[in-house]
Amino acid sequence: DAKTTQPNSMESNEEEPVHLPCNHSTISGTDYIHWYRQLPSQGPEYVIHGLTSNVNNRMASLAIAEDRKSSTLILHRATLRDAAVYYCILRDGNSGNTPLVFGKGTRLSVIA
Amino acid sequence: NAGVMQNPRHLVRRRGQEARLRCSPMKGHSHVYWYRQLPEEGLKFMVYLQKENIIDESGMPKERFSAEFPKEGPSILRIQQVVRGDSAAYFCASSPPTAEQFFGPGTRLTVL
Repeated sequence: DAKTTQPNSMESNEEEPVHLPCNHSTISGTDYIHWYRQLPSQGPEYVIHGLTSNVNNRMASLAIAEDRKSSTLILHRATLRDAAVYYCILRDGNSGNTPLVFGKGTRLSVIA
Repeated sequence: NAGVMQNPRHLVRRRGQEARLRCSPMKGHSHVYWYRQLPEEGLKFMVYLQKENIIDESGMPKERFSAEFPKEGPSILRIQQVVRGDSAAYFCASSPPTAEQFFGPGTRLTVL
């Protein structure tokens, strides 16, 4: 799986939007961009994934650059419960159920 | 539909004992993954199994560690003759074919 680069940490005020960036300059044409998050003392949790088009679900939005070399996870209104480590992961869509390769992720702090 | 279940949630073993960690996947999921998270480190893939088959064990130490996913019952991760360096959180995830992974709450192993 191709490598991703994320900031080590970010901070946000409660009730404000948060934009979590991810660079993946060596992404291949069949790589999907997945986001997971890990709340303190819990297992990781799937957030969202996409290939080329922007994606929305009840948890977040995923904005994918036109050249696919970067993406941004958007939390529209951060809450204290969103404080977690966020992982941006590439998975080859041709390889079936490949294991996830976790990097260091971005530790998001939310300030009340 | 119950989520992925892991037990025990906490396990304490003395050096040299055996640790057995259990994972019950979500109903209908035939793919199971084990990951390990050492203190203050990221998640690392260990092994990927389907019913009665090990698909990928490239992340599992060659000695003392084994995993199985029998036709009936939970997946088991077994660590023989545990050492202090085995102290970590062990997460299990399950998925249907070609879909996101759902993680359990983890088993926190402490080796005294």
